[in-house]
Amino acid sequence: EAGVTQFPSHSVIEKGQTVTLRCDPISGHDNLYWYRRVMGKEIKFLLHFVKESKQDESGMPNNRFLAERTGGTYSTLKVQPAELEDSGVYFCASSRNRGNNSPLHFGNGTRLTVT
Amino acid sequence: GENVEQHPSTLSVQEGDSAVIKCTYSDSASNYFPWYKQELGKGPQLIIDIRSNVGEKKDQRIAVTLNKTAKHFSLHITETQPEDSAVYFCAVGLQGGSEKLVFGKGMKLTVNP
Repeated sequence: EAGVTQFPSHSVIEKGQTVTLRCDPISGHDNLYWYRRVMGKEIKFLLHFVKESKQDESGMPNNRFLAERTGGTYSTLKVQPAELEDSGVYFCASSRNRGNNSPLHFGNGTRLTVT
Repeated sequence: GENVEQHPSTLSVQEGDSAVIKCTYSDSASNYFPWYKQELGKGPQLIIDIRSNVGEKKDQRIAVTLNKTAKHFSLHITETQPEDSAVYFCAVGLQGGSEKLVFGKGMKLTVNP
């Protein structure tokens, strides 16, 4: 089966611009997660979708970040307007079932650089 | 909230040696402890996990041990090979509706041939 795919792999934008990241989960995986790793630090949870519904968005940094998963398939994460501290690698992950019996499958990430 | 500490941050070993990575966590309610390996340019990949009802789990050259009383768990890699070189992350699963993971900062392992 195809893995989790993310697009783009890299994005360089200027402060104040808008960027939209896309994630295609593994087919049939209802659970979709966004995580972020800022340089040298831990991978931090952003939010969790179950199908098209936001199950937990407690990790979203602020209202400049908007995640959507219309139709319960692919998801987008928009940053508007981008700030310097938004730079990092954004990972998407998916799992078939809820709970820790269903392992997370991560994509290769989108490296975002805000200058 | 949950806090996960991972150490060391870097480790360099000779091929064939063993490597150990240690993590501690703060929330005694946590019950799921996966380890991820991230190779350059790729996303984290699950290599082994352990749940709180088990003290040790082994899969070929890798093993994980869990001490719930002390709230720490460790990854052991034996007979290391150059392809083991990567960044390794421990994570902790929180009980509740989200099943989100809290990660450590990662450890860069270099295996020298």
